[in-house]
Amino acid sequence: AQRVTQPEKLLSVFKGAPVELKCNYSYSGSPELFWYVQYSRQRLQLLLRHISRESIKGFTADLNKGETSFHLKKPFAQEEDSAMYYCALSGFNGGATNKLIFGTGTLLAVQP
Amino acid sequence: GAVVSQHPSWVICKSGTSVKIECRSLDFQATTMFWYRQFPKQSLMLMATSNEGSKATYEQGVEKDKFLINHASLTLSTLTVTSAHPEDSSFYICSARVFGRESTDTQYFGPGTRLTVL
Repeated sequence: AQRVTQPEKLLSVFKGAPVELKCNYSYSGSPELFWYVQYSRQRLQLLLRHISRESIKGFTADLNKGETSFHLKKPFAQEEDSAMYYCALSGFNGGATNKLIFGTGTLLAVQP
Repeated sequence: GAVVSQHPSWVICKSGTSVKIECRSLDFQATTMFWYRQFPKQSLMLMATSNEGSKATYEQGVEKDKFLINHASLTLSTLTVTSAHPEDSSFYICSARVFGRESTDTQYFGPGTRLTVL
């Protein structure tokens, strides 16, 4: 079964501290993994995807197929990083259309 | 960038009435749109995949006769909640799929519609 697990509902850190938001997945094929972010009162938006191998707003995420993980990391948290973060997996709907399966989300709160 | 709008942003209706929610891609064409439902403090749950010019594909457990989806054009998909009841109260979010480089695709999300059924 396709599943995305984010074990932490809330992660609270101080400004300048390192951040790691955990994401594990279950998928039988070759997955495409994403991190989406939702700032307060804003729409959900794509933060990064594993195939791009980019660093966006200082965040990086590496796909570890052995551990089936796609953890989101940032070395120094900023207050403006406070938001809800969703890990998502792209699976196939009978081979016809990709659909996203979301984790339950982690609320990151960066304290001053 | 790709912008997706939803209308209305919020709606309150009486039990038993029907409510239509629109999802538009403003500056691009989308052959595929998705409809999600989000309960308070919970994740997004995919309800259905809407394909332009064909029937929507519903996820298991989603009543297709209750949640009618129409994708008549490349820029508009509508979700109609028929005979709404209080348990249908939720946040409904749509997204539109865009193909990019390297055969990748990205979903761009609308701002959501808050439905409250009295």
